[in-house]
Amino acid sequence: AQRVTQPEKLLSVFKGAPVELKCNYSYSGSPELFWYVQYSRQRLQLLLRHISRESIKGFTADLNKGETSFHLKKPFAQEEDSAMYYCALVPDSNYQLIWGAGTKLIIKP
Amino acid sequence: KAGVTQTPRYLIKTRGQQVTLSCSPISGHRSVSWYQQTPGQGLQFLFEYFSETQRNKGNFPGRFSGRQFSNSRSEMNVSTLELGDSALYLCASSLGGGSTYNEQFFGPGTRLTVL
Repeated sequence: AQRVTQPEKLLSVFKGAPVELKCNYSYSGSPELFWYVQYSRQRLQLLLRHISRESIKGFTADLNKGETSFHLKKPFAQEEDSAMYYCALVPDSNYQLIWGAGTKLIIKP
Repeated sequence: KAGVTQTPRYLIKTRGQQVTLSCSPISGHRSVSWYQQTPGQGLQFLFEYFSETQRNKGNFPGRFSGRQFSNSRSEMNVSTLELGDSALYLCASSLGGGSTYNEQFFGPGTRLTVL
C-alpha cells in the first residue's frame, strides 16, 4: 500500500540549530516526493520537490530510494521556519497526492 | 494572477443535511483536486477533476461527490452529513495536462462544522 510516514508530530529546536524532519514512504514504483509547508494563517504551499534538487529557504531534501526516505533538512533554523510541514508523494502515472500526517516545527528563540 | 478561491469559507450544518462547496481555480488551470483535512486523519485525497472528468478518486463513500464545469470551476457535494464530516475541505488547482505531476496551488479551505 502507498503510505507516507512522518514519525514526529512535533519538533522543537532552537534558532540556529540544525533541523531534520523525517519522511519515509512505502511505494514499490517510482514516486515523486514533495514537501509542502503551511505557515500560520497561510495556505498550504509547495516547498520543494525531489526532482528539482534545489534548495528553498535553505531547506534541502534528498530522496534515498534504498531507505525509502525523503528527509527535509536545514543547517541553521530560523524563527520564520516555524510551520506545519507535510511530506507527500505522487505515485507514477497518477495525479493524487498521498500525504504524511505532518510535523509541526517550532523554532525557539 | 488571482489564487484559488473557495466559497463559503465557513459553514455550519446539521446531521442529515447536504452541502455544496465551491472552488474557483487559478485562471488557465484545468485540474482541480479536493482534500479533506481533519486533526485525526490528516490530509486525505477526495477526488480530482480534469476537463470536466473525474480522473482520480480517493477512498470516500458515495455521499461525497463532485463535478467540474467547462470554466474549470468545481463543486463538491456531501449528502446526508455525518458528525465525522466536520473538517477543513481544501481545493487545489494545477495545470493538469501532460503525463507528469504539476504543482498544485491550494485554496484557503472551507471549514465545515456538522452539528
